Amino acid sequence: DAGVTQSPTHLIKTRGQQVTLRCSPKSGHDTVSWYQQALGQGPQFIFQYYEEEERQRGNFPDRFSGHQFPNYSSELNVNALLLGDSALYLCASSLSSVDYGYTFGSGTRLTVV
Amino acid sequence: KNEVEQSPQNLTAQEGEFITINCSYSVGISALHWLQQHPGGGIVSLFMLSSGKKKHGRLIATINIQEKHSSLHITASHPRDSAVYICAAFNTGNQFYFGTGTSLTVIP
Repeated sequence: DAGVTQSPTHLIKTRGQQVTLRCSPKSGHDTVSWYQQALGQGPQFIFQYYEEEERQRGNFPDRFSGHQFPNYSSELNVNALLLGDSALYLCASSLSSVDYGYTFGSGTRLTVV
Repeated sequence: KNEVEQSPQNLTAQEGEFITINCSYSVGISALHWLQQHPGGGIVSLFMLSSGKKKHGRLIATINIQEKHSSLHITASHPRDSAVYICAAFNTGNQFYFGTGTSLTVIP
């Protein structure tokens, strides 16, 4: 199955540290979106990458940054971690030319202690 | 006020019951998605709607564009349907707005 793959699945970091999360999109998809889901909340849009550039950004501070590689995979970086950054981070891939068929990964559970 | 509102927030049903989850949205949309999230996090896209009604097995999704309202129905509910169901509006600006989800528990 060539669905969306995220790594790692779980991660524990200390406040102030930096973290990198990774996402491989579904085969054939060229757009990657990242979401943060706090416990008991719906996902919140962080940003979207297309053609290796940030195309859209949600209401997140500059501590959250990303990157998209030529193979369409993507990284989410969070600097100076805060306890409030503890959440499930979801990646979704899609094809830029259509507005349906979003495929979500299983997420990375980040715990900041 | 959230752009996407779901109700109810929590729902407990007996196995076999007919279940309805409602979603109202305030943004202009190009499509509305119903998503299913099981414990542990993974999200599965159930439906994408831009008009009318879609059916997949025991699941039915409807949307009324004029009223900005959508419903997800589950017929003959089963314990394996227990999950969080999320309504997500995909607006014309290429961005998702998510509801906070409806936590469904189906009791045998």
